[in-house]
Amino acid sequence: QSVLTQPPSVSGAPGQRVTISCTGSSSNIGAGYNVHWYQQLPGTAPKLLIYDDKNRPSGVPDRFSGSKSGTSASLAITGLQAEDEADYYCQSYDSSLSGSYVFGTGTKVTVL
Amino acid sequence: QVQLLQSGVEVKNPGASVKVSCKVSGYTLTELSMHWVRQAPGKGLEWMGGFDPEDGETMYAQKFQGRVTMTEDTSTDTAYMELSSLRSEDTAVYYCATLAMTTVTNNWFDPWGQGTLVTVSS
Repeated sequence: QSVLTQPPSVSGAPGQRVTISCTGSSSNIGAGYNVHWYQQLPGTAPKLLIYDDKNRPSGVPDRFSGSKSGTSASLAITGLQAEDEADYYCQSYDSSLSGSYVFGTGTKVTVL
Repeated sequence: QVQLLQSGVEVKNPGASVKVSCKVSGYTLTELSMHWVRQAPGKGLEWMGGFDPEDGETMYAQKFQGRVTMTEDTSTDTAYMELSSLRSEDTAVYYCATLAMTTVTNNWFDPWGQGTLVTVSS
């Protein structure tokens, strides 16, 4: 089961801004471990979107941005486009249970 | 550019084992830290385990310890994930993915294989 909590869904009209939260605890995000974000288009494998809290890999539009504070992180999508309709997952490291990688519960973004 | 190509669909009976492969191209397997993540139908991502780049051992998620084995054939640059004592709840898409850095803690998965659907049903 996921230890990082995300809202099940968010939606917005084209051009709008949406944000996705990722809430953890003192053994993962709160311990200072970095947060990474993935985009999963329908029927495809996850793709890295943001790494180390706020960095975009080459090729990822600057409409996507990440931030972190305390035990939570956020992904923002500005200028929402139809092609952004997908599932989004956060990921971090957790120092409990002998250490492991943990994912968020996932958020479905719908473009209205 | 690392590319990962996984084996095809598997259908297994409860209690059986499944072995999924992940062929690396663009790099050699020894240069990478391969991990496995699964996704049940309509559900989220779940990390299963993988190579620890800091101590050279394989790390497994507690949930799968004793039931999963991850191996590598460096002669063919192919990684394997074998899951035993399958039950219906193991029905999922299984992904291989590489760690991007050589540390354990602040690390992420990139790239990912295309996924292998494993269906467990009698």
